[in-house]
Amino acid sequence: EVQLVESGGTLVQPGGSLRLSCVASGFTFRSYWMHWVRQAPGKGLVWVSRINSDGSITNYADSVKGRFTISRDNAENTLYLQMNSLRAEDTAVYYCARATTTVTSNTIDFWGQGTLVTVSS
Amino acid sequence: DIVMTQSPDSLAVSLGERATINCKSSQSVLTSSDNKNFLAWYQQKPGQPPKLLIYWASTRESGVPDRFSGSGSGTDFTLTISSLQAEDVAVYYCQHYYTTPPTFGQGTKLEIK
Repeated sequence: EVQLVESGGTLVQPGGSLRLSCVASGFTFRSYWMHWVRQAPGKGLVWVSRINSDGSITNYADSVKGRFTISRDNAENTLYLQMNSLRAEDTAVYYCARATTTVTSNTIDFWGQGTLVTVSS
Repeated sequence: DIVMTQSPDSLAVSLGERATINCKSSQSVLTSSDNKNFLAWYQQKPGQPPKLLIYWASTRESGVPDRFSGSGSGTDFTLTISSLQAEDVAVYYCQHYYTTPPTFGQGTKLEIK
């Protein structure tokens, strides 16, 4: 069974840092592009970042470029999102998501349950 | 970035009736090389993560009931639920994957009338 389990979400002050983790199981993690997508409370889905299978290619939304860093450890089947200089508008549920290998690297076919990040003083 | 706009924002349909959700992209997401539309539809039920329903604008993901269908090409797309069931209450999102960033529509909330 495919599983993506996020952790690390919590309450953090503006300007603070946080690292999210996503542990994958049930599939060959090292073969897949992975994404982070966020959803502010009561709002829609917003793509944040993606990373290729070996970690050599990363892309970011303009809103987080220079503040967030995506990475992965294929030996540990884990995806990360390092979040620095956090702002109130970063408050959201952060989803770890897997891209298909049969469509494109931007087509997401499985999502984790999400972890809530709240940025507030 | 490509902007995705859905209509309506919310929709109430009677059980057993047809539900139609529209999605428009700010530029074409059709590739001329292989005539494919880089468009997906997702369903998000309350308290759950999104679920992939359709990709390539009209291909159903494995396990998705055949009452869900997608159509359209270029910049205009439609998700149709042929006979609404109670379990279809959700927010539906379109997403293009033509370029990076892959952007989502704002969502359409589907309820029972």
